[in-house]
This record gives sequence, C-alpha cells and structure tokens, in this order.
Amino acid sequence: RKEVEQDPGPFNVPEGATVAFNCTYSNSASQSFFWYRQDCRKEPKLLMSVYSSGNEDGRFTAQLNRASQYISLLIRDSKLSDSATYLCVVNRGTNAGKSTFGDGTTLTVKP
Amino acid sequence: DGGITQSPKYLFRKEGQNVTLSCEQNLNHDAMYWYRQDPGQGLRLIYYSQIVNDFQKGDIAEGYSVSREKKESFPLTVTSAQKNPTAFYLCASSAGGDYNEQFFGPGTRLTVL
Repeated sequence: RKEVEQDPGPFNVPEGATVAFNCTYSNSASQSFFWYRQDCRKEPKLLMSVYSSGNEDGRFTAQLNRASQYISLLIRDSKLSDSATYLCVVNRGTNAGKSTFGDGTTLTVKP
Repeated sequence: DGGITQSPKYLFRKEGQNVTLSCEQNLNHDAMYWYRQDPGQGLRLIYYSQIVNDFQKGDIAEGYSVSREKKESFPLTVTSAQKNPTAFYLCASSAGGDYNEQFFGPGTRLTVL
C-alpha cells in the first residue's frame, strides 16, 4: 500500500460544478498536510495548507480527518482554469526529507 | 523577486554522459530538494539538504550526486550510472518550521538520446 494515495481520476466536470478530492495517508504520525496544483508540464504550486480545523480560500476548502487519516479538497463553482492535476502532500515531520507526494488527481473542467 | 531558478529548461544528453542540472534560490531557505517526475506519476525524492555542506539520500538516489557548498545552490549531477534518466527534474526549497511548505523551480526536462 502506498503511503499517500489519491484517486487518479480523471474527474471531468462542467463549469460551475462542485468537485471533491480525497487523499488517504497511512502514517498516523503525519504532522502537516498540503494541496498543490500542477499544470501540464509545469512545476507544482502550493494551493493550500490543510489545518486541523479546516480552512477555506475563496472557492477552495480543505479538510483534515485525523481519525480516518484522510484530507480532502473541495472546489466550488469550478472554472475552466481549475483544470490541472492536484497533488496531496503529507509531512511525517518538520525536518527536510519527510514529505510524501501523492500521484495526483486530474481535473478537467469543461464548458 | 524571490524565487527558485533551474537551468536549463530542456537538456539532451547522449547515453554514457554525465550532466549537471542547476538549481539556485534567493529565498534564504535552509532546505533544498531534488525530485524526479515521470509521465503520469508523482514526485520521487532523489536527494535533499537541510543545511550547507550536508545532504541526504532520498528514495531514488542511485545514479545521482549532489553538492551543497552554498546556501543558495544545490546542483544535481545525473551520472551515466543512472539507468533511465529521461524525466522531468524539479528542485524545491523550504524554510523549515512547523509546516515546511516546499516551493518549486520551473523544472528541467532531461532527454537521453
């Protein structure tokens, strides 16, 4: 079993739809969590950190469920520009070298 | 503007040749990383460095080498011992601390001919 698992998709949704991605992790000692966005043939860019209390940034909401060991990303009112691959990242500690990246979930938003 | 730069953007190499990929950051970050990404797959850690003059192997270090002589620079050498070097190489840095978010350079796409 991979340490961090994501549904690879692809998720194909119409503009304006709400879409949710989940990411599960196996190490219960994991300490911090992030969502990154990666456009085709580009570098990953930090989308949001995920806090225990959940956090929201505009149309994006991230949640953490430590008991079930998963994080989620909800995108409301999807835009064409949201089309990308979304990577979940789990840190096992604060030192370098402790991050594990998921393989990503691909989202395509269609007109 | 602060950021991470990688060069070159595209690199072609013949089999049996060593090649060095550049990574520079002016974010004053202590930690730097090298990842490899193959098509349709996630990032795999090659090497990382938490401080100048120190670095550690990641999950797939065989066939690669690094140096960290300056805080700003973390070059990666892909040696002829790397069996399948064609990939997208990403450099990242982080400041450390509780959350330790990583910030990425634009990447180098290496093709072995």
